[in-house]
Amino acid sequence: QVQLQESGPGLVKPSETLSLTCTVSGASVSSGSYQWSWIRQPPGKGLEWIGYIYYSESTNYNPSLKSRVTISVDTSKNQFSLKLSSVTAADTAVYFCARTDRPYYFDSWGQGKLVTVSS
Amino acid sequence: DLVMTQTPLSLSVTPGQPASISCKSSQSLLYSDGKTYIYWYLQKPGQSPQLLIYEVSNRFSGVPDRFSGSGSGTDFTLKISRVEAEDVGVYYCMQSIQLPWTFGQGTKVEIK
Repeated sequence: QVQLQESGPGLVKPSETLSLTCTVSGASVSSGSYQWSWIRQPPGKGLEWIGYIYYSESTNYNPSLKSRVTISVDTSKNQFSLKLSSVTAADTAVYFCARTDRPYYFDSWGQGKLVTVSS
Repeated sequence: DLVMTQTPLSLSVTPGQPASISCKSSQSLLYSDGKTYIYWYLQKPGQSPQLLIYEVSNRFSGVPDRFSGSGSGTDFTLKISRVEAEDVGVYYCMQSIQLPWTFGQGTKVEIK
């Protein structure tokens, strides 16, 4: 059974870069069968897809965040990561990583990581 | 972006009674491959979302058969035939026919 676990700082200062890692077990990020996504949820609000990466390192990002987002994969550690630059309070959210099956739905999710942007 | 609009935004249901949630998309979710790219998730309190229904009406592994999905084109419905206490949470529809993938606002279901 696949499991995903987010990790990283829970507090980031405004204008700095948010960095999170998702460690995958029970599946390989190198698998050509899946993509690996990040989704976020501001406190008390709905879900926003951030982007995904494929094992070949091809990516797709939400245009609303594209200029600030980078998703990368580390196959040797079976992990994928999210970087979001120039953060503001509006980026405060629970960040989820998820496995993405075709044709594109999230079949397994991490438990989520709350990241607060505050000085 | 393709907009997903859910109604109602909240629902209070007596256990054992049915519940229905509507999701309307701003464009058709029917793709040229014949599949319709709409999905339903449930986020129970304090948990991450879990997939319930994929491609309109297919129940994901382990999902009870009291959950069903229907619809076509731009209008879709999630139904719970007999609500149980464990069904409380926020239900989201999602489309993945067009980037960026987008979710509805969510429908909060509580038990009376």
